[in-house]
Amino acid sequence: NAGVTQTPKFQVLKTGQSMTLQCAQDMNHEYMSWYRQDPGMGLRLIHYSVGAGITDQGEVPNGYNVSRSTTEDFPLRLLSAAPSQTSVYFCASRPGHRNQPQHFGDGTRLSIL
Amino acid sequence: DQQVKQNSPSLSVQEGRISILNCDYTNSMFDYFLWYKKYPAEGPTFLISISSIKDKNEDGRFTVFLNKSAKHLSLHIVPSQPGDSAVYFCAANLRREYGNKLVFGAGTILRVKS
Repeated sequence: NAGVTQTPKFQVLKTGQSMTLQCAQDMNHEYMSWYRQDPGMGLRLIHYSVGAGITDQGEVPNGYNVSRSTTEDFPLRLLSAAPSQTSVYFCASRPGHRNQPQHFGDGTRLSIL
Repeated sequence: DQQVKQNSPSLSVQEGRISILNCDYTNSMFDYFLWYKKYPAEGPTFLISISSIKDKNEDGRFTVFLNKSAKHLSLHIVPSQPGDSAVYFCAANLRREYGNKLVFGAGTILRVKS
């Protein structure tokens, strides 16, 4: 019973490097999202998708790209990593009906030097 | 400007007693509220939710209360157990016409002492 799987669990990057954080869910959920968690700020929405081929920006989208070519996968791309992007990143999914809780992956801890 | 606020960064409670975690929101466009629990090195896990058409929802030891006029949400845990020690996040979902997004509070660290 995999649920939402995020890879890698940890990553260290140098400023300016690019990277893709992977997220996959096996629950056939239509809605997927990416959050970042920073101390004292809770979880902030980066990007989300209501279905394959459809993405939209959240609260803090700058510096990140997403795409949704399949229902299962929702990768998050850092185009040119900056120290301000050091954070823990969580991917989540839920069924299409909006009043359903989101299921979260275990996160990717990313450090930008 | 935080739309969902958890003003208590931490709470310490004796085992067997009640834990009350509070959450305030500023936006009237929220219509669905959730509580998540998070252990270190894990993702948040869903605990309990409430729709804006209700004022109370109960699930075992967990009860969520919603006071729409005060824009206030609370989570009651009775009785508290050491395994309840975690970070608790309050979250609110914007109505579909306002973006269909989930907004989180900063979290409250609950410590249940045995």
